[in-house]
Amino acid sequence: DGGITQSPKYLFRKEGQNVTLSCEQNLNHDAMYWYRQDPGQGLRLIYYSQIVNDFQKGDIAEGYSVSREKKESFPLTVTSAQKNPTAFYLCASSHPPSSGSYNEQFFGPGTRLTVL
Amino acid sequence: GNSVTQMEGPVTLSEEAFLTINCTYTATGYPSLFWYVQYPGEGLQLLLKATKADDKGSNKGFEATYRKETTSFHLEKGSVQVSDSAVYFCALSTPGDNQGGKLIFGQGTELSVKP
Repeated sequence: DGGITQSPKYLFRKEGQNVTLSCEQNLNHDAMYWYRQDPGQGLRLIYYSQIVNDFQKGDIAEGYSVSREKKESFPLTVTSAQKNPTAFYLCASSHPPSSGSYNEQFFGPGTRLTVL
Repeated sequence: GNSVTQMEGPVTLSEEAFLTINCTYTATGYPSLFWYVQYPGEGLQLLLKATKADDKGSNKGFEATYRKETTSFHLEKGSVQVSDSAVYFCALSTPGDNQGGKLIFGQGTELSVKP
């Protein structure tokens, strides 16, 4: 079955440590996205990538980094510079939007990061 | 900038009650509109979508109509079930805006259906 996998489901880290969240998709999608979800809030875009070896900052990129070396993978690193990293992180993918077409995104199950 | 506003939750209903969750948007151009659902502890699933004015999206008994004149995309269901308990997100996307096709979400509305 095609889909998006994120691992691990729960992650605990000590303050000051960098941590990398995994996101893999086998949907043959070119575009991938990372969102952050906080309680009672909608999702906010951290980074996105429309093609391999290229990515762009979203609305809240400070304290995060990404790479896109393979089409299937888009890992997110939460660095020690992120002031409030405890949150639920969601990865998504889609075919890239083109003129006149909509952008249906498919989401992974999420990783809940807790920084102690 | 583009934005989405949803009615605040939580919304608590009895089984078989009628559901409406209001969603209004602000956008330049011609956005596509979506409703996503999130069950506890899970990621988001696309519930329905509409890509142009007067389109009606529907799925699993849920419906929403793209109303350009009122900039709204309200979610409705005639008879809710306990299994519909989840958080519902309204979202928009404006393809071709050089923003990578990102989705802009409302804050979510929690629905709780009691037997």
